[in-house]
Amino acid sequence: DAGVIQSPRHEVTEMGQEVTLRCKPISGHNSLFWYRQTMMRGLELLIYFNNNVPIDDSGMPEDRFSAKMPNASFSTLKIQPSEPRDSAVYFCASVQGDEKLFFGSGTQLSVL
Amino acid sequence: GQNIDQPTEMTATEGAIVQINCTYQTSGFNGLFWYQQHAGEAPTFLSYNVLDGLEEKGRFSSFLSRSKGYSYLLLKELQMKDSASYLCAVDNFNKFYFGSGTKLNVKP
Repeated sequence: DAGVIQSPRHEVTEMGQEVTLRCKPISGHNSLFWYRQTMMRGLELLIYFNNNVPIDDSGMPEDRFSAKMPNASFSTLKIQPSEPRDSAVYFCASVQGDEKLFFGSGTQLSVL
Repeated sequence: GQNIDQPTEMTATEGAIVQINCTYQTSGFNGLFWYQQHAGEAPTFLSYNVLDGLEEKGRFSSFLSRSKGYSYLLLKELQMKDSASYLCAVDNFNKFYFGSGTKLNVKP
């Protein structure tokens, strides 16, 4: 199995630009999570989907952030417009039932 | 809210034993995970506790007390490659919340 696949690995953009992060979960996993990691705040849960349906987005920091999961094999996290304080590593993770979370390699986002 | 607390940083010597503590107060609890994260990499699974007690897996063991909201990760026979951050995570009925992690420095 290829594991959770995220793209891009690195993204550098200018303030005000739209950023789209992509994730392909492990085949057969029914839940998908987006996390943001910073030195100050650690690993924060942004949103999670179950069977492609957003269940809890209470961790999404602002309306500038949105996430979709159009099918079982693809999810996006979009930031529009981006700001310097959005700079962080964004991880996608997936799980089957109540088993362990598997993480993707993350996207290092830098907003200048 | 969800409160998961761990020490920020610890230092130990190669070959020694170190215990990393985690306390939690969450709205729900279905189990507790420990993950290891090397710098610049993704977290990887180490252990999972659902019931009270000790789970042993090679050099690593994890303990849970549900009544006390407390867990620890025990690393024995430390190796240099164990230098990493160790993250405690609570499974709140399929929502996984992480502590800020404990950075472990292993010295020769």
